[in-house]
Amino acid sequence: DTGVSQNPRHKITKRGQNVTFRCDPISEHNRLYWYRQTLGQGPEFLTYFQNEAQLEKSRLLSDRFSAERPKGSFSTLEIQRTEQGDSAMYLCASSNPGLAGGSTDTQYFGPGTRLTVL
Amino acid sequence: AQSVAQPEDQVNVAEGNPLTVKCTYSVSGNPYLFWYVQYPNRGLQFLLKYITGDNLVKGSYGFEAEFNKSQTSFHLKKPSALVSDSALYFCAVRDGDYGGSQGNLIFGKGTKLSVKP
Repeated sequence: DTGVSQNPRHKITKRGQNVTFRCDPISEHNRLYWYRQTLGQGPEFLTYFQNEAQLEKSRLLSDRFSAERPKGSFSTLEIQRTEQGDSAMYLCASSNPGLAGGSTDTQYFGPGTRLTVL
Repeated sequence: AQSVAQPEDQVNVAEGNPLTVKCTYSVSGNPYLFWYVQYPNRGLQFLLKYITGDNLVKGSYGFEAEFNKSQTSFHLKKPSALVSDSALYFCAVRDGDYGGSQGNLIFGKGTKLSVKP
């Protein structure tokens, strides 16, 4: 399967613990996005990479959230000192804008990681 | 600021009848508009998008959407609904006048479509 993959699919943790999620984008997609989706809401943008460069991170919810994409392939999203309010579905998407660049590219989403903080 | 409104939390349709899921948007520049569908405990699947050109866009699974600039709308339609179309539908917008880091998707809250046999 050549779609976006995310691991783990489910994560249950205790408040105060750190968690890390992984996203593997579609091969050759150089853009990678992280979103958060809470119950009854649409996805909310968190951060975005073009290759290994993190071009937008002001939407990360707090300084407890961080993301990396060290080699321009897979990405990780880390949440430190988790809180119950962090419980949500975390979605990753990737896209390929092609040589033209711009913002007409389609984002393809992975299945998400559901986080439950007890 | 960019925004998307999906005025209906739920749409109920009988199988075989036409369906419409409504979406209105607000952007300062040219809108790039997208529809996604989400099945329970799954990620979002891309259905279709409008970038430019013909106002009627055709997408996956028989869905289509009509871009109306004067009404700032992008309603999703299907001529004949199937029970398997029951899912959560999201409209999203991107401001086409922003490239790169500012061209991120803004989603509506979603509309639950229920198709009864």
